[in-house]
Parts: sequence; structure tokens; C-alpha cells
Amino acid sequence: ETGVTQSPTHLIKTRGQQVTLRCSSQSGHNTVSWYQQALGQGPQFIFQYYREEENGRGNFPPRFSGLQFPNYSSELNVNALELDDSALYLCASSLGYSGNTIYFGEGSWLTVV
Amino acid sequence: AQSVTQLDSQVPVFEEAPVELRCNYSSSVSVYLFWYVQYPNQGLQLLLKYLSGSTLVKGINGFEAEFNKSQTSFHLRKPSVHISDTAEYFCAVISTGGGNKLTFGTGTQLKVEL
Repeated sequence: ETGVTQSPTHLIKTRGQQVTLRCSSQSGHNTVSWYQQALGQGPQFIFQYYREEENGRGNFPPRFSGLQFPNYSSELNVNALELDDSALYLCASSLGYSGNTIYFGEGSWLTVV
Repeated sequence: AQSVTQLDSQVPVFEEAPVELRCNYSSSVSVYLFWYVQYPNQGLQLLLKYLSGSTLVKGINGFEAEFNKSQTSFHLRKPSVHISDTAEYFCAVISTGGGNKLTFGTGTQLKVEL
């Protein structure tokens, strides 16, 4: 139990649609990151938020966007879904960064058909 | 930029036997190193991490890892595995001063057999 909760756990969307995934970080954690894990692959960094500001982004197109709220919960939005967006999306939280333990949620499984 | 290589995609081993999962990294700056475990249909759980100090790091569930700067390696070991250790193991790095962006390897599937 990491204290990081994600919703929904599973969802199916049609190509071209939009999706919002939600994450509640561990209490007191002010840094949230999102990762995409395709089947059989390691997680890939999408972006990170620190105190409601994006402060790092991986190699993902602008249709991947996010928000962090004052209570440090977070959303990941993906527009114009493509088949290759099918993956497990992981949220991770930590207190600050640079070595502090990063806790992962159970993930949201997205299938795009 | 940094990268992580996990040379073995699958490692089969018998129960109570020792195991080593290999991890090599590449980075132009100092890094922090991590091992995570992922059980089927679950998120990632931290096994252990190396930030500084002693190069031998002990983690949960009897796992340990040794940081070798000259060989840029951070291999994970367990002297005696159990069926419940069957899972996917990921090595990851963060560059110091690089926020909390984890760069993961492609993972090693550890399969423990009776």
C-alpha cells in the first residue's frame, strides 16, 4: 500500500476520443509524475508536476497534458487517442525530488480500439 | 541523458537457488539508482535504492544490490529465492539534480520454479 490511488483502473476508448486519468498522491507529497508503460516495456516518463507547475517533460506529444491541483492530486489528459496509446498509465508521487522515495499507484489500464 | 540496460529479459531459477539480475547504466552525470518490482497487474514497488555511501544496499524481501561505479553497474541479488519472488524487476536511474525523472530499463522477468 503506497498511498497513491488512481482511477479508473480500467477503461476502453475509441480512437480519436479523449481520456482523463486521475491520481491522488500520498499525503504531503508535492511532486507528481506520470509514466506510460506499454505491454512488455519499462515505464516511460511523460511529465512531472511540482507545486502545480510542470517542471519536466518526456518525449510525448502535446496531446498529452496534465494538471496538478492545490491538494497535489493530478490529472493526465490525452486527446485524439491513437491505438498506440493503449498502455498502463502509472502515477507516482514524492516529497520534493532528487532521491526521495517515489511511490507508484496501481495504474490505469487504457485500451484504445 | 541517461540510459539503463537490463541484459536479461527472462531469468528462470529454481526455488531456494541464488539469483542475480543484471543492470548497467550510462550517464554523463552522477546518478541515483533504484530497483523496482512489479507483480502481475500491479504497480511498481520499491525494492531498494542507492543514493550515496556504502555501495552495498540492502532492500526488502531479502534483496540486495551493489553499486559499481567503474563498471557502471547495479546488479540485484538474492541468496535464496521463493516462488513469491516471481515478478518483473526494473532497474532505474535518476540523474542528480535532474528532478525525479526515472529512466527505466526494459525489465527482467524472474520466474521461480519448484
